[in-house]
Amino acid sequence: AQKVTQAQTEISVVEKEDVTLDCVYETRDTTYYLFWYKQPPSGELVFLIRRNSFDEQNEISGRYSWNFQKSTSSFNFTITASQVVDSAVYFCALSERGGTNAGKSTFGDGTTLTVKP
Amino acid sequence: DAGVIQSPRHEVTEMGQEVTLRCKPISGHDYLFWYRQTMMRGLELLIYFNNNVPIDDSGMPEDRFSAKMPNASFSTLKIQPSEPRDSAVYFCASSDRERKKTNYGYTFGSGTRLTVV
Repeated sequence: AQKVTQAQTEISVVEKEDVTLDCVYETRDTTYYLFWYKQPPSGELVFLIRRNSFDEQNEISGRYSWNFQKSTSSFNFTITASQVVDSAVYFCALSERGGTNAGKSTFGDGTTLTVKP
Repeated sequence: DAGVIQSPRHEVTEMGQEVTLRCKPISGHDYLFWYRQTMMRGLELLIYFNNNVPIDDSGMPEDRFSAKMPNASFSTLKIQPSEPRDSAVYFCASSDRERKKTNYGYTFGSGTRLTVV
């Protein structure tokens, strides 16, 4: 069975601070995909990034970076120099490539990030 | 591409009434998902389709809920009769398994906020 755990329910930081959102996953599949989604106060869910299980290279996109470590089953998300507009709920998700769960993503419970001015 | 289109955006109905939520996925996507989001339970997968065929409906809460996908461009989620505990935001999402498109990530619709009074 696949499972995603986001242990941090809420995080509050002051603007310009760096913040890391943790994500730990469980899966029996050898090939899988990890995702992060953002849900701002307006309510829509926005896809941010996908990582393949066979590619542990970290990724940076502007102020966002993702650290994928297969050894610890973690896929953490760091926002550098946070801004008020980063305030949102962030969801980590896992999708297995094969088996009965193929194509279906399991979501974590989300981390609510509040960035104060 | 217009993205995933859901209608209506908001629905207020009385207990016992039938409610129909609609979704138009992105053209060419072969997966369609229905999720429900509440404060108490977070994001719950209700049902998903692959090539218009229901694959897993184990998340449908009870027989009052039904979903159909008569063709590749349209799906409905119906609740009959509705109850106050069905009040939630219902999201539709679509995806495709070809890497060159959405990279397996979901594209979500804007959601339907359902209130049953």
